[in-house]
Amino acid sequence: DVKVTQSSRYLVKRTGEKVFLECVQDMDHENMFWYRQDPGLGLRLIYFSYDVKMKEKGDIPEGYSVSREKKERFSLILESASTNQTSMYLCASSLLYRGLSGNTIYFGEGSWLTVV
Amino acid sequence: GESVGLHLPTLSVQEGDNSIINCAYSNSASDYFIWYKQESGKGPQFIIDIRSNMDKRQGQRVTVLLNKTVKHLSLQIAATQPGDSAVYFCAETRNNAGNMLTFGGGTRLMVKP
Repeated sequence: DVKVTQSSRYLVKRTGEKVFLECVQDMDHENMFWYRQDPGLGLRLIYFSYDVKMKEKGDIPEGYSVSREKKERFSLILESASTNQTSMYLCASSLLYRGLSGNTIYFGEGSWLTVV
Repeated sequence: GESVGLHLPTLSVQEGDNSIINCAYSNSASDYFIWYKQESGKGPQFIIDIRSNMDKRQGQRVTVLLNKTVKHLSLQIAATQPGDSAVYFCAETRNNAGNMLTFGGGTRLMVKP
């Protein structure tokens, strides 16, 4: 069974703190993604990575950075957390190339971050 | 830019009835579509997908219909159950887009007992 695991489900952090959100997948997928999900705004892509040490900005990268040191692990970093980064963060993974049968993107269970 | 949207933000149905959730997309180059279900407090779960060379695909109690002429996608759930209550997202991607998904805003399905 496919598995994307986000290590922290609920976090409360103070403004200005550095925050790490960790994600691990066990499907040997090349692609990994970080989204944030906010009411009324849907899912927005922050960063993605298609290989180890590779990263690409998504739609809303400001205030975030990422790290992909190993294929199975993709970390989202908030260098200095702010209250407008309170959100649900979703990690996802997929194969790099779509096969004949399609290519599903699999999501983790989400990490709820509150910045106070 | 391209967008994927949903017609109705909330859909309320009676248990046992069929549900139809609609989605419109604007990019005619989109060639792969996915429906996700997201229950409260959880991440999106894959339900069913369809490629643009098909107009219908069936799964267990779910059917996805694709109308490329009007760029419309729908998810039909047969005999809707309370466990189907969730937010449903459609998403699209194109083969030359690096497998990037564009998501719709989501429709909340509420099942009345």
